[in-house]
Amino acid sequence: ETGVTQSPTHLIKTRGQQVTLRCSSQSGHNTVSWYQQALGQGPQFIFQYYREEENGRGNFPPRFSGLQFPNYSSELNVNALELDDSALYLCASSFPDWDLSVGTQYFGPGTRLTVL
Amino acid sequence: GENVEQHPSTLSVQEGDSAVIKCTYSDSASNYFPWYKQELGKRPQLIIDIRSNVGEKKDQRIAVTLNKTAKHFSLHITETQPEDSAVYFCAAFIPFRISNFGNEKLTFGTGTRLTIIP
Repeated sequence: ETGVTQSPTHLIKTRGQQVTLRCSSQSGHNTVSWYQQALGQGPQFIFQYYREEENGRGNFPPRFSGLQFPNYSSELNVNALELDDSALYLCASSFPDWDLSVGTQYFGPGTRLTVL
Repeated sequence: GENVEQHPSTLSVQEGDSAVIKCTYSDSASNYFPWYKQELGKRPQLIIDIRSNVGEKKDQRIAVTLNKTAKHFSLHITETQPEDSAVYFCAAFIPFRISNFGNEKLTFGTGTRLTIIP
């Protein structure tokens, strides 16, 4: 298992509410990426944080926002929840490979969000 | 942006036989191609990866091949076992400017549900 942890494990919210999901990166990793995985689909990139700054964003609206803290843990915030936001939210931590600018991403167990 | 296609979507093989999953990518800038295995209700786990300067990589029963010219890469599992049953995802990575370390993005395929028949 990786050293990446996420909380909570499961969450049930109603439409219009706001939610905060948390991720602790693996020791030594300074980059956290967030993904949304709908049932039966591959993970979709939401955004990435590197050294506390957002570094790249996928096709998600501004109501998806995030933070990274000095210890490299991260939060994903979703405002005005919609039914389609129901999914497994995964975070992945990595550390850049200085030769090829590639950092292998290791996933946390995910938070399953259900919006009613 | 990058687009990754994965085939087949489902695959059933007899225990002991080989399984092959194929992916194509669209952006020639992609330089890193990991494969993840995801069991029901669990996190994606990296099983093997390959970089664009390598054509083939093997780790015990698992191998990955890459054809940069054709922009496709494949996962090969030999001597399949029941514990190989899972959903497998390929992914392609596009690096950002070399000065922006950590600015990587993975684009995933749609997944292949592999079932090993005892």
